[in-house]
Amino acid sequence: NAGVTQTPKFQVLKTGQSMTLQCAQDMNHEYMSWYRQDPGMGLRLIHYSVGAGITDQGEVPNGYNVSRSTTEDFPLRLLSAAPSQTSVYFCASSQDGNTEAFFGQGTRLTVV
Amino acid sequence: QKEVEQDPGPLSVPEGAIVSLNCTYSNSAFQYFMWYRQYSRKGPELLMYTYSSGNKEDGRFTAQVDKSSKYISLFIRDSQPSDSATYLCATLTPNKLVFGAGTILRVKS
Repeated sequence: NAGVTQTPKFQVLKTGQSMTLQCAQDMNHEYMSWYRQDPGMGLRLIHYSVGAGITDQGEVPNGYNVSRSTTEDFPLRLLSAAPSQTSVYFCASSQDGNTEAFFGQGTRLTVV
Repeated sequence: QKEVEQDPGPLSVPEGAIVSLNCTYSNSAFQYFMWYRQYSRKGPELLMYTYSSGNKEDGRFTAQVDKSSKYISLFIRDSQPSDSATYLCATLTPNKLVFGAGTILRVKS
């Protein structure tokens, strides 16, 4: 039972570099989302998708892009990494956005 | 004003204590409320899910919603060291989960 799988688990980037955080789910969930977690800030929504081909912005979308070409995958792209993007990133999925969300194990990103 | 406010703690209690974790929210239209538990270096997991006002009990855990005061509570009875984690309250807006900051709980044996 894989659930929500995120890769990589850890990443160090230099300022200005780009990268893609991968997220895959095997539960046939329509809704997928990306959060970042910073100390004292809780989980903040970056982008979300209600189904393949449909994405929308969350609370903190600047500096990030997403696409949803399949139901299973929802990658998050950092266009030009900045130290302010140092955080722990979580991908989540749920049946329809209004039911229990299942989270991945997180990606710890450091931008130097 | 943040939509969901939660004291980040940390909260430290002895084993066996009753723990009370609390959040307030700003929008009276919110109907669905959740508590997630997050162990260190892990993703959050759903602990309790309640709709509208009232209490919901599951073993040692009770979730309570008071819509008149916009207050959400989680009570843990007979707390155990294995309950040490971060507890996040959350509410559902259309297509979005909005989280509080999370409260770090430490149960000492």
